[in-house]
Amino acid sequence: DIQLTQSPSFLSASVGDRVTITCRASQGISSYLAWYQQKPGKAPKLLIYAASTLQSGVPSRFSGSGSGTEFTLTISSLQPEDFASYHCQQLTSFTFGGGTKVEIK
Amino acid sequence: EVQLVESGGGLVKPGGSLRLSCAASGFSLSDDIMQWVRQAPGKGLEWVSYISSSSTYIYYADSVKGRFTISRDNAKNSLYLQMNSLRVEDTAVYYCARDRGRYSGTYYGFDIWGQGTMVTVSS
Repeated sequence: DIQLTQSPSFLSASVGDRVTITCRASQGISSYLAWYQQKPGKAPKLLIYAASTLQSGVPSRFSGSGSGTEFTLTISSLQPEDFASYHCQQLTSFTFGGGTKVEIK
Repeated sequence: EVQLVESGGGLVKPGGSLRLSCAASGFSLSDDIMQWVRQAPGKGLEWVSYISSSSTYIYYADSVKGRFTISRDNAKNSLYLQMNSLRVEDTAVYYCARDRGRYSGTYYGFDIWGQGTMVTVSS
């Protein structure tokens, strides 16, 4: 099974900061990776698919990059509504990374 | 409004059974791959099960294989998860999600999620 390792698991940042989250796959998955945002008590929301394509309606401050085994999610300027948990998912056998919680510093 | 609504969660004793339902509205799920994902309290997301549009292809996570059964009724625009031999570690919020699938080498991810239904397995 393909494992995803997400880092960091916890991140403390301020409004306006540039934030980067990394997701590493245990074997190559081409660009079959998605990123989701999840707020407490809510369902996940698709942010990015195909590693770097922004889902419709998602602000352009979010971006994704990578292919193969190394992927990143970047928020260029953190906004108050971005404080949430973020999850990567590989789309060959659907497993998720452990998640990253982004909290206010 | 396009939405998925889960139901059927609750408290059950170890070894018991539950059947979750997921009703689609605002769209027809008959052409879509559908999935179940769960999240234990305070934990990350865990993929549970996959079903293709015509039920031809079905897959399960190893953790639920042999105990859970996914099914769908396209005429009723609904998805189901029959959960048998429940264990304490199955305690989680269960989400159904639409999988947009893969076309021309691009996988589009899970774009519509339900609000989730809580399953608690405890004696």
